[in-house]
Amino acid sequence: GAVVSQHPSRVICKSGTSVKIECRSLDFQATTMFWYRQFPKKSLMLMATSNEGSKATYEQGVEKDKFLINHASLTLSTLTVTSAHPEDSSFYICSAMLTSGSETQYFGPGTRLLVL
Amino acid sequence: AQSVTQPDIHITVSEGASLELRCNYSYGATPYLFWYVQSPGQGLQLLLKYFSGDTLVQGIKGFEAEFKRSQSSFNLRKPSVHWSDAAEYFCAVGAGQGAQKLVFGQGTRLTINP
Repeated sequence: GAVVSQHPSRVICKSGTSVKIECRSLDFQATTMFWYRQFPKKSLMLMATSNEGSKATYEQGVEKDKFLINHASLTLSTLTVTSAHPEDSSFYICSAMLTSGSETQYFGPGTRLLVL
Repeated sequence: AQSVTQPDIHITVSEGASLELRCNYSYGATPYLFWYVQSPGQGLQLLLKYFSGDTLVQGIKGFEAEFKRSQSSFNLRKPSVHWSDAAEYFCAVGAGQGAQKLVFGQGTRLTINP
């Protein structure tokens, strides 16, 4: 149980285009989902917290207009990287909590984004 | 601000040997502490967590961790490693309401020698 999927697993796009990454909780409902970014050989950095039906809360330094997050249902959150640039190339990981305040996050396998 | 330090970037041990991965945290209140393992192509998997109570926590795959408040540490241990334990290990502290915000350490890459 508590499986989280991400799609796509890898994506290559041209500079200036937008890319959407999906995060789904497959066997549970997640009121809260999180988006992380992982740089090569570095730690995971929390980008934003997404609550179903409300606006995402972004961490300091994360551009909300560049990284659009939508959490339209209890099983789906999307991250759209708008007007992507090579410096946006990274590994993006989502996670989901069973219920708000349950203290345990379940992670997706990640999406590798390469912007040319 | 809360932070997590994993002093060892890379550790190599022989199969069957014991393992200890170090984790130190900085957090003003009682911390929620986690160890996750990341294997290529797979999501981070929770090994164990500490919220309160017994300071020695048992996890999956034969791992355990001990919370030592006086040392601000939460080291991960396993008495005998298997080749399948080779992966990246992350220690994290949960902050905020319900420990929702996870602050991760830099990670320790574990290599197993046959």
